[in-house]
Amino acid sequence: KAGVTQTPRYLIKTRGQQVTLSCSPISGHRSVSWYQQTPGQGLQFLFEYFSETQRNKGNFPGRFSGRQFSNSRSEMNVSTLELGDSALYLCASSLAVLTSTDTQYFGPGTRLTVL
Amino acid sequence: AQKITQTQPGMFVQEKEAVTLDCTYDTSDPSYGLFWYKQPSSGEMIFLIYQGSYDQQNATEGRYSLNFQKARKSANLVISASQLGDSAMYFCAMTTNSGNTPLVFGKGTRLSVIA
Repeated sequence: KAGVTQTPRYLIKTRGQQVTLSCSPISGHRSVSWYQQTPGQGLQFLFEYFSETQRNKGNFPGRFSGRQFSNSRSEMNVSTLELGDSALYLCASSLAVLTSTDTQYFGPGTRLTVL
Repeated sequence: AQKITQTQPGMFVQEKEAVTLDCTYDTSDPSYGLFWYKQPSSGEMIFLIYQGSYDQQNATEGRYSLNFQKARKSANLVISASQLGDSAMYFCAMTTNSGNTPLVFGKGTRLSVIA
């Protein structure tokens, strides 16, 4: 079974631009979560989607948004990029709504560099 | 809110030796799940092992075992017979069943295996 895929793997943008990252979950998984990883802040939760609905959102500004499609694929968008948005963005999928017994499987990540 | 603490920023271990990576957690929810992930330099988070709060026995997966001490709120990862390929960052994480709680990560431990 194929794992979680993320595209693109690497991205370079300049301040003020916007970017869209894509994530395809493991087949049959309906929940997709996004995380931002930086050396200073570590791994921080962005949002979780299940059945095209955002179920949970982390403490990030409104410039960060996402959506999920009917096939469970998800995209996240960052508008008006700032230097501090440079990070590894990880997508994870799980079978259903995240509970204490459900394992999240991660993709390889998209490394975003903002110049 | 739940919290994960990993107090060892970095560790060294000789090849073929066993190593223990520490993790303590804090939550008021009686139902929770504990996870360990490995992150090589490539960036992908690889799921290693899971322990549920109601599991009576410590989890094991191949060379990985979880030393779960509920009263002490610790969930240490034990890697037996270390291999050079085990060199990576290791993250402890948890989620609970109360409300919409995302996966919360510790800051990680960088393990270096020496030949």
